[in-house]
Amino acid sequence: SQQGEEDPQALSIQEGENATMNCSYKTSINNLQWYRQNSGRGLVHLILIRSNEREKHSGRLRVTLDTSKKSSSLLITASRAADTASYFCATDASTTGGFKTIFGAGTRLFVKA
Amino acid sequence: DAGITQSPRYKITETGRQVTLMCHQTWSHSYMFWYRQDLGHGLRLIYYSAAADITDKGEVPDGYVVSRSKTENFPLTLESATRSQTSVYFCATGAREDTQYFGPGTRLTVL
Repeated sequence: SQQGEEDPQALSIQEGENATMNCSYKTSINNLQWYRQNSGRGLVHLILIRSNEREKHSGRLRVTLDTSKKSSSLLITASRAADTASYFCATDASTTGGFKTIFGAGTRLFVKA
Repeated sequence: DAGITQSPRYKITETGRQVTLMCHQTWSHSYMFWYRQDLGHGLRLIYYSAAADITDKGEVPDGYVVSRSKTENFPLTLESATRSQTSVYFCATGAREDTQYFGPGTRLTVL
């Protein structure tokens, strides 16, 4: 099963509203990342938050991490039509001899103009 | 200044044929990754490589083979393609437990 699970699976909002997406995971992690994917394209990195951090900002993005609840949230403020995309969380965890990055199934965000 | 490229971008093949997907990076990042993306599953890690000649299995390695003789190249081979391997394949590169930079993807259809 996947390490990261996003919630909701799909979200439709009006331009100017805030969008919040959640990610839950199951095991201890070293960091958590959020990526965006526009239809038919590769993924683009948005933000990385390390396990010892609780909150991080980047422009209109705010990410929180609660390691006790094994969850993270991505907030996009003042959304724009151009924010329409799928958003994925990805967790990095240590394994025997290395590490692995595991992606969740994603949240599809649709921002209506 | 291409960064990371994948070829071919689209491929149609038949069941049982061998197919190789290519991935090339110009940044000299140590880590490279192969993922497949299917509806409802997000991205699943197939194989990754920490450096030249060092590879390791990911979540769904069965039916795939990788090699990394040079730092910049990380080909993925489907030894005998099956319909269940119809998917979009993404290559990525980056540092350990840090940002990954994704290629544009290869859309593979196995008939």
